[in-house]
Amino acid sequence: AQKVTQAQTEISVVEKEDVTLDCVYETRDTTYYLFWYKQPPSGELVFLIRRNSFDEQNEISGRYSWNFQKSTSSFNFTITASQVVDSAVYFCALIPYNQGGKLIFGQGTELSVKP
Amino acid sequence: DAGITQSPRHKVTETGTPVTLRCHQTENHRYMYWYRQDPGHGLRLIHYSYGVKDTDKGEVSDGYSVSRSKTEDFLLTLESATSSQTSVYFCAISEAGFSGYTFGSGTRLTVV
Repeated sequence: AQKVTQAQTEISVVEKEDVTLDCVYETRDTTYYLFWYKQPPSGELVFLIRRNSFDEQNEISGRYSWNFQKSTSSFNFTITASQVVDSAVYFCALIPYNQGGKLIFGQGTELSVKP
Repeated sequence: DAGITQSPRHKVTETGTPVTLRCHQTENHRYMYWYRQDPGHGLRLIHYSYGVKDTDKGEVSDGYSVSRSKTEDFLLTLESATSSQTSVYFCAISEAGFSGYTFGSGTRLTVV
């Protein structure tokens, strides 16, 4: 099966706390691509990161960081020193190489950052 | 210029009526997709296109049809709308599939 699981439906934190959003994926393909998207309350989908299966290096972009571990099929997303503007729904997604470029989404995690 | 636009942005329609949603791109990308977003399900693929007149079904294609007669336009049609098709519909484009998608702003469809 090709699947993405985001077990955390909702997370609530207080501003300046660190928060990690979990993502576990399943695919038969050895080549695949992983993504994170942000959906703020305004509703648009904003691309955050793309990672291919051959690159396990962790990535940091400002307060955002991503931990890709093939051994556990996980691609977790951490926000350091969260801010109210980080409140959004976050989607993890997968494109297996042999699926014609079709993006498979997790169910999403709704993050609420309170002042 | 957004590169991808969806119309209409909001629509309310009655059960049993046909509805067509339009996705228009100015990026000349080969791949176009229609997704629906529902609480608890994330986004699910309805149909996609890998070229003019080349389309295929996604995970939740029942009750939907699509057409792509030119590169820039991808139409999603609900032949006879049902209440279960009340949802937010997103169109997306991709240059090479694996490069990631750019999404439109979404169409909120309510079937009453």
